[in-house]
Amino acid sequence: AQSVSQHNHHVILSEAASLELGCNYSYGGTVNLFWYVQYPGQHLQLLLKYFSGDPLVKGIKGFEAEFIKSKFSFNLRKPSVQWSDTAEYFCAVSPLVRYGGATNKLIFGTGTLLAVQP
Amino acid sequence: DVKVTQSSRYLVKRTGEKVFLECVQDMDHENMFWYRQDPGLGLRLIYFSYDVKMKEKGDIPEGYSVSREKKERFSLILESASTNQTSMYLCASNNRGLEEKLFFGSGTQLSVL
Repeated sequence: AQSVSQHNHHVILSEAASLELGCNYSYGGTVNLFWYVQYPGQHLQLLLKYFSGDPLVKGIKGFEAEFIKSKFSFNLRKPSVQWSDTAEYFCAVSPLVRYGGATNKLIFGTGTLLAVQP
Repeated sequence: DVKVTQSSRYLVKRTGEKVFLECVQDMDHENMFWYRQDPGLGLRLIYFSYDVKMKEKGDIPEGYSVSREKKERFSLILESASTNQTSMYLCASNNRGLEEKLFFGSGTQLSVL
């Protein structure tokens, strides 16, 4: 079965530290890749996405992610975190297989809770 | 501004009750989804719909059903609520193809006692 693994469940960093959150998926075909973020008390929102082209994608708020096809990975990075980055981060994968002839499913990882200490 | 609205932020129900969770989107999206979010388990897809009156099972459909009579509204139904259905329920929508990002509602925290 297709799955998405986020190995870091809880990460605690000090402000200005660098961040890397791991994401691996199990699917041999073509995929679209996403990172979503949920700030405390807010709804989930898209951070960045990869569909094709340059495997290094840049998102909002200084985040970036690199797609490494050979490793089935899509790790999220930020050179210098801020207290306002405290949130839960979800990696998601959309295997390009049609269901019901109409749309694709988005499979989420279990999430990584990031706490940034001021 | 785009909007996905879930009718209740918090809901408390008793075991065996029939529960309706409502979701409305104002973006004319074809696709609508219901997820549940549990600590340590992330988001799991319950059901999704790609058109009016069309539905597809997600990864954990047992104990749930859905209804999509109008394009903008997608309802999740718990036929007989159980305590293991205590969870945060998230509705989302997007346009066909999934190249478009998912827009999420604020969620409904359901407690089944």
